[in-house]
Amino acid sequence: AQSVTQPDIHITVSEGASLELRCNYSYGATPYLFWYVQSPGQGLQLLLKYFSGDTLVQGIKGFEAEFKRSQSSFNLRKPSVHWSDAAEYFCAVVGPINTGTASKLTFGTGTRLQVTL
Amino acid sequence: DTAVSQTPKYLVTQMGNDKSIKCEQNLGHDTMYWYKQDSKKFLKIMFSYNNKELIINETVPNRFSPKSPDKAHLNLHINSLELGDSAVYFCASSQDRGGNTIYFGEGSWLTVV
Repeated sequence: AQSVTQPDIHITVSEGASLELRCNYSYGATPYLFWYVQSPGQGLQLLLKYFSGDTLVQGIKGFEAEFKRSQSSFNLRKPSVHWSDAAEYFCAVVGPINTGTASKLTFGTGTRLQVTL
Repeated sequence: DTAVSQTPKYLVTQMGNDKSIKCEQNLGHDTMYWYKQDSKKFLKIMFSYNNKELIINETVPNRFSPKSPDKAHLNLHINSLELGDSAVYFCASSQDRGGNTIYFGEGSWLTVV
């Protein structure tokens, strides 16, 4: 069964600083990976996804993530954080893929991002 | 147009009551889901339907009963509500059951008092 680990529960960065949120996954084959963001009191918005191909994927709101198979990681990055980026960020993996068995999305425990002015 | 919409967004009810949350998607997807987010923000799948057929049923009390009248709708009915049912319930959909992007609704905040 697949699993996701987000080792950082809470991160604080200054506005304008760079950001990296860590995500490690466990899955037996090539994973389909996602980052979602949840603003306070809001739903889950898809930031970006990786299915195959280029290991550096671009998302919305200036976010990007890099898939590293050797490290089983899919870290989320942003070069310059804005105060509006304060939210909860979830990494997720979907599986099993195309096996005839129903797929489901498995989430990490989330990282809460706080942005100081 | 909202792709995945669920109602109500907020629901406060007393223990022992029965309540329903409705969900509709206009994306033409075949597969729909219910996820639960607990007080620690942990998200876990509850159910999944593919073309009105139940395909995922995680370990959920049988007080929770999903119903899919057609592939665009997936409702969640909860009987005899308990304090521990307080959570955010997210409806979601994907193109099919084989591993695709899953799109979420805005969530329904359920508080049981």
